[in-house]
Amino acid sequence: GAVVSQHPSRVICKSGTSVKIECRSLDFQATTMFWYRQFPKKSLMLMATSNEGSKATYEQGVEKDKFLINHASLTLSTLTVTSAHPEDSSFYICSATKGGTEAFFGQGTRLTVV
Amino acid sequence: SQKIEQNSEALNIQEGKTATLTCNYTNYSPAYLQWYRQDPGRGPVFLLLIRENEKEKRKERLKVTFDTTLKQSLFHITASQPADSATYLCALAVNSGYSTLTFGKGTMLLVSP
Repeated sequence: GAVVSQHPSRVICKSGTSVKIECRSLDFQATTMFWYRQFPKKSLMLMATSNEGSKATYEQGVEKDKFLINHASLTLSTLTVTSAHPEDSSFYICSATKGGTEAFFGQGTRLTVV
Repeated sequence: SQKIEQNSEALNIQEGKTATLTCNYTNYSPAYLQWYRQDPGRGPVFLLLIRENEKEKRKERLKVTFDTTLKQSLFHITASQPADSATYLCALAVNSGYSTLTFGKGTMLLVSP
């Protein structure tokens, strides 16, 4: 199978601090990784698409300076929420593809900003 | 505007019955449609993919239909079990190969013993 590991699963941080979330494809090389945000009882909202070695493509309305994405290798992408505020509290999920149609999702990260 | 609509209310059924979930879309021409299962506090898990030129796909107790005229996909779980209780998401892709996915809000299914 194809496994995507996301870390941490839960994080609580103080307002104004930065938080980094890691997304790793454990047993395959991911040509593309995606970052989503999900509010309770809402759909997954695509935040950005990242390809290894190039800048991420952000969806409209997503602040690239706020949500920094680094795709350093074919198995690792990171999302850093900078200067976090309570409204950034959400469930963040990454997914990865091998280039085909199926997306493999991480287990998600519950971010709470206090 | 583009919309993907899934029943927002939870679907409650008894164990052993067939669950049918609906995904309707407007102003899309999807190349394919996928269904995912999501458990609380977890990421989605891929279940089935159906392409625009396919009418029906099956996998074990799961069946998906795709009607591009009605702009609708139906997702069926036969002989449902309490373990099938989860939220089911449909997602559309507009390109035939690798493509970004646009998700519906999902429908929660509750299967009672």
